[in-house]
Amino acid sequence: GENVEQHPSTLSVQEGDSAVIKCTYSDSASNYFPWYKQELGKGPQLIIDIRSNVGEKKDQRIAVTLNKTAKHFSLHITETQPEDSAVYFCAASSGDYKLSFGAGTTVTVRA
Amino acid sequence: EAGVTQFPSHSVIEKGQTVTLRCDPISGHDNLYWYRRVMGKEIKFLLHFVKESKQDESGMPNNRFLAERTGGTYSTLKVQPAELEDSGVYFCASSPSNLAGGRTKANEQFFGPGTRLTVL
Repeated sequence: GENVEQHPSTLSVQEGDSAVIKCTYSDSASNYFPWYKQELGKGPQLIIDIRSNVGEKKDQRIAVTLNKTAKHFSLHITETQPEDSAVYFCAASSGDYKLSFGAGTTVTVRA
Repeated sequence: EAGVTQFPSHSVIEKGQTVTLRCDPISGHDNLYWYRRVMGKEIKFLLHFVKESKQDESGMPNNRFLAERTGGTYSTLKVQPAELEDSGVYFCASSPSNLAGGRTKANEQFFGPGTRLTVL
């Protein structure tokens, strides 16, 4: 089955700096890569996703890049703000609906 | 529109007891999923319903876990008898069918807040 590795497990950044989270996947059939943000007491919420026919996607301060050859994808958050503090999960899917998640990255934005 | 809801939010039981978790998906969503996160590890897939049918239950740990979705609306996940290693956060998610169209992207899954299960 699919195996998704996520790094780092924790990330502390100064407000205004950038944060980068990296994930690798094992199944070359995976073609959908969502990123979820989980705030305290809430469930994971989709913040951005990318499909295998696209190399990069941006939505305001967040962007995701995908390298299918190397089987890795990354989340970039620019100009971080305190409300960006949360646990972030990457995931991969081959289109069969089942999501395979990474272990999560706890991001702390220091004011 | 109301999101995915789960009940209870927390459950503390003793080893050997039975617990039933409930999930109410977003109205009209045919797809319903159960996931579990144990001890700060990855969120792991348990199973997937399409309406009332089990589409994929490859992630169910063992036969102590039973999921149902009678009528294709809400779902329950029963653990009987519970073991210590069953402790974790159980998430439910739902998504519309790809044929539903509208603003929802294909594959996008909407998660509930989770049920934190502690087995003592």
